[in-house]
Amino acid sequence: QSALTQPRSVSGSPGQSVTMSCTGTSSDVGGHNYVSWYQQNPGKAPKLMIYDVSKRPSGVPDRFSGSKSGNTASLTISGLQAEDEADYYCCSYAGSYTFVFGGGTKLTVL
Amino acid sequence: EAQLLESGGGLVQPGGSLRLSCAASGFTFSSYAMTWVRQAPGKGLEWVSAISGSSGVSTYYAGSVKGRFTISRDNSKNTLYLQMNSLRAEDTAVYYCAKGFNAFDIWGQGTVVTVSS
Repeated sequence: QSALTQPRSVSGSPGQSVTMSCTGTSSDVGGHNYVSWYQQNPGKAPKLMIYDVSKRPSGVPDRFSGSKSGNTASLTISGLQAEDEADYYCCSYAGSYTFVFGGGTKLTVL
Repeated sequence: EAQLLESGGGLVQPGGSLRLSCAASGFTFSSYAMTWVRQAPGKGLEWVSAISGSSGVSTYYAGSVKGRFTISRDNSKNTLYLQMNSLRAEDTAVYYCAKGFNAFDIWGQGTVVTVSS
């Protein structure tokens, strides 16, 4: 199972919006609505930010939103804040009760 | 507060074995599927294995570990396990346990496994 494709880095200034993509195939992202997104700060465990493509767990700011079109899922962060700087990983169900992560995107807040 | 605490990591020689544990607290452990995810040094996350909730009769593995790793759970001890055999250098990683199957809402702090001679 190949990893989902994420841009290695994205950046934005405080207050701006950024969108990062997660591209897979019809066997994973395109074929199921079990796409989740995780934020990871250096040396820390990942944190769930979005699940089931677009749902936010309680406690996650509504500045974070998720969507999907075809084989590509996206995470959008609006009103960018310095504390959003982190690595972000997408994850998708890949069939046969297995899951696949993306390679991760490093978000830099300028 | 829901928490997960991994243990059992360490240095092991290629071909060796190790058993990881993940102690759960603050939620009804038996009701939830559980998952292991690993992260090699400087690399991204990799889904490793999952086990169904309740009796844990259903187990699932990534192709890279199938036949070498075994996931299990003891609901009486609120503990998840990962038995790792025939370890290879490429298994070197931080191993996280996480609550959930389709999405992972609670994570442990991770335990480091290093496979080296």
